[in-house]
Amino acid sequence: EIVLTQSPGTVSLSPGERATLSCRASQSVSVSYVAWYQQKPGQAPRLLIYGASNRASGIPDRFSGSGSGTDFTLTISRLEPEDFAVYYCQQYGILPETFGQGTRLEIK
Amino acid sequence: QVTLKESGPALVKPTQTLTLTCTLSGFSLSPSGMCVSWFRQTPGKALEWLARIDWDDDKYYSTSLKTRLTISKDTSKKQVVLTMTNMDPVDTATYYCARKQGLWGYDSWGQGTLVTVSS
Repeated sequence: EIVLTQSPGTVSLSPGERATLSCRASQSVSVSYVAWYQQKPGQAPRLLIYGASNRASGIPDRFSGSGSGTDFTLTISRLEPEDFAVYYCQQYGILPETFGQGTRLEIK
Repeated sequence: QVTLKESGPALVKPTQTLTLTCTLSGFSLSPSGMCVSWFRQTPGKALEWLARIDWDDDKYYSTSLKTRLTISKDTSKKQVVLTMTNMDPVDTATYYCARKQGLWGYDSWGQGTLVTVSS
């Protein structure tokens, strides 16, 4: 199965700063099948990005995704207070579908 | 409005079989490309994909759990059912269902249901 490794495990930033979250796959993944989710405590995951770079409906344009092959990135251009959460990458192109272990974005 | 809602027992005993139901609202599993998956998340841990059923009734399972899982759908009742046999305390988790359309990722999730396995 494809292993997704996210880095860093935890990142501490201040509102207004830029966040760059990484997701590396153990083998090449089609860009069509990479997604990013945000999860806050006690809530279900929320789809942010699909197809590596497409924002889901209602997602602010400060969120962007990029990458190809084995390396994918989620960028939050200017952090808002509501952006502090855990972020997961997922590949759903090769079964079994897999998630990274998550990056915790905390307020500095 | 698209919603999914998980239901099932909050507590099961070791060795018992867990049956979870995901009730769909605002959409159907009939259109080509539509699918529903089950996931779980242990406290403080990452998400784990368990199983998926597609609009055409194709079914897919987690490699490590496939001998214990069965997924099915009742399109007329708008329900997707997951059964997991031989439950163990390590299966204690919040279980989620979510829908995906084609390449678009899982855009709608249920609120999740916490299942505790304990005698």
